[in-house]
Amino acid sequence: QQPVQSPQAVILREGEDAVINCSSSKALYSVHWYRQKHGEAPVFLMILLKGGEQKGHEKISASFNEKKQQSSLYLTASQLSYSGTYFCGTDSKGNKLTFGTGTQLKVEL
Amino acid sequence: DTAVSQTPKYLVTQMGNDKSIKCEQNLGHDTMYWYKQDSKKFLKIMFSYNNKELIINETVPNRFSPKSPDKAHLNLHINSLELGDSAVYFCASSRLGGAKGNYGYTFGSGTRLTVV
Repeated sequence: QQPVQSPQAVILREGEDAVINCSSSKALYSVHWYRQKHGEAPVFLMILLKGGEQKGHEKISASFNEKKQQSSLYLTASQLSYSGTYFCGTDSKGNKLTFGTGTQLKVEL
Repeated sequence: DTAVSQTPKYLVTQMGNDKSIKCEQNLGHDTMYWYKQDSKKFLKIMFSYNNKELIINETVPNRFSPKSPDKAHLNLHINSLELGDSAVYFCASSRLGGAKGNYGYTFGSGTRLTVV
């Protein structure tokens, strides 16, 4: 079953922060995060392997709550270049990535 | 140097035709995938190959047949195309254990298939 992301869409002013959540009905082994710009391929942002793990990637970071089967992506001081659709990808069985429903993020001036 | 390349980028064809999409990666990855992205942007896995061996085959109609001549190539052949096959098809690759290891997926630029 596909992980559910929230919100479905969000519009930010440049410099604002956002949180994107990813929730699974299954126990998770790992969580990936990707960004896809319009008309382009998804691009890998980061992977979280352990419950409680947090990772950072410039002003983009993520956390993984294994017990709650959830992950969150944090975007701080957003820039125009952050616009795109964000996908979480979850792995339950090992080596099979199931992508979430996607969150469309638009950053405006 | 393109890491994962797919051809063609666009494919417009009539219902009932047979078509192929080719994918090649020069990253030295062991595992390759085909994903389908529909009009609502849902990305759904279709197939996964590890070192030329099929390891994941989701419930995809048997009109879709992947072929991996070597670990750097994964092609997708589609028979008797239907309107519902219209979508963007992405090839991806990763090192072994991509989902459960420390390795993200690298995607190709996609093939937009339109069946008319």
